[in-house]
Amino acid sequence: DAGVTQSPTHLIKTRGQQVTLRCSPKSGHDTVSWYQQALGQGPQFIFQYYEEEERQRGNFPDRFSGHQFPNYSSELNVNALLLGDSALYLCASSLGLAGRETQYFGPGTRLLVL
Amino acid sequence: QKEVEQNSGPLSVPEGAIASLNCTYSDRGSQSFFWYRQYSGKSPELIMSIYSNGDKEDGRFTAQLNKASQYVSLLIRDSQPSDSATYLCAVYAGGTSYGKLTFGQGTILTVHP
Repeated sequence: DAGVTQSPTHLIKTRGQQVTLRCSPKSGHDTVSWYQQALGQGPQFIFQYYEEEERQRGNFPDRFSGHQFPNYSSELNVNALLLGDSALYLCASSLGLAGRETQYFGPGTRLLVL
Repeated sequence: QKEVEQNSGPLSVPEGAIASLNCTYSDRGSQSFFWYRQYSGKSPELIMSIYSNGDKEDGRFTAQLNKASQYVSLLIRDSQPSDSATYLCAVYAGGTSYGKLTFGQGTILTVHP
């Protein structure tokens, strides 16, 4: 049973560039959530996708956007990168939107913005 | 007030002792609560979920929930050095934030031999 996968594992970008991170959910899951985790902090919710639509969004600027594909995989796009965007980006998958589901995390993508 | 707060660490306990990790939350409509463990450089992994008031036990781990006090805790019995990690409390928000999982800042636990 394949777990959540993310790519790439590491990424180095410069300020002002754009980045796309990818996530494949755990087999059987249809909901994908994205989180940003700065060093020493808990994960911060960016947004959640279900049925190819953004269902919930955290307090992140419009530079952060996403997409979910018919096979439930998802992308996170960040435009006009800032130094403060350096963080571990986590994807989590779950089944449905009842507000009780366990979210399972992928290994993360570590982004460094120089 | 932060939505989810955890007791500030780091917490250090000797091997074999009980480690107690605490978490409070502000949204009284919250219904679902989770504890995750995160080793350094890794992603969070689920330890336990709890939905009803009272205790829930799984091996050496016990989660306790008190919705009236808006408090959830995790006890680790017979702590082992391999339990040394950051423990994250996570809460599903209610109301219009339905489906949004909010994390505390985490408590670093060190179990020393």
